[in-house]
Amino acid sequence: DVKVTQSSRYLVKRTGEKVFLECVQDMDHENMFWYRQDPGLGLRLIYFSYDVKMKEKGDIPEGYSVSREKKERFSLILESASTNQTSMYLCASSSSGQVNFEAFFGQGTRLTVV
Amino acid sequence: AQSVTQLGSHVSVSEGALVLLRCNYSSSVPPYLFWYVQYPNQGLQLLLKYTSAATLVKGINGFEAEFKKSETSFHLTKPSAHMSDAAEYFCAVTYNFNKFYFGSGTKLNVKP
Repeated sequence: DVKVTQSSRYLVKRTGEKVFLECVQDMDHENMFWYRQDPGLGLRLIYFSYDVKMKEKGDIPEGYSVSREKKERFSLILESASTNQTSMYLCASSSSGQVNFEAFFGQGTRLTVV
Repeated sequence: AQSVTQLGSHVSVSEGALVLLRCNYSSSVPPYLFWYVQYPNQGLQLLLKYTSAATLVKGINGFEAEFKKSETSFHLTKPSAHMSDAAEYFCAVTYNFNKFYFGSGTKLNVKP
């Protein structure tokens, strides 16, 4: 069974803290994504990576950075957490091939910044 | 920018009634299209996908969707709603297999 695993389901952090959200996939997928989900706004892409050490900004990259040192792992970093980054964060992965290229999602991390 | 529009942020149906959730995309180039379902505090699960093989696509849990190029639509339907269908549904598109765009979601409520 394919799997995308996010390291935490719930996190509470203080304003100004550096926050790491980790995501691991076991499907040997080339592409990995970080989305942010807020009510009424759907999923907004923060960053994605199409290969090790490669990354591209999505629609809302401000205040975030990412790291992909290994193919199976994609980390989202909040350099200095702020209350407006309180949200649900979803990691996903997908294959670049033309078969079974849908995105597979992790369970999500609900982050609260206080 | 490419976009996906879901009409209706909330849809309420009675158990046993038809479910219709609307999705339109804005592109002159037909994309690959998906419907995902999200249960509370969970990630997204694929319901079905359109890959140009057939315009009527059948998915899991009795859902299906029809791709209509002339209307740039990919609406999701289910003939008879079940209480367990209550969830949030997202339409998504991709054009190049490595970037996915999502609609704002439709919450489906099923009344007994």
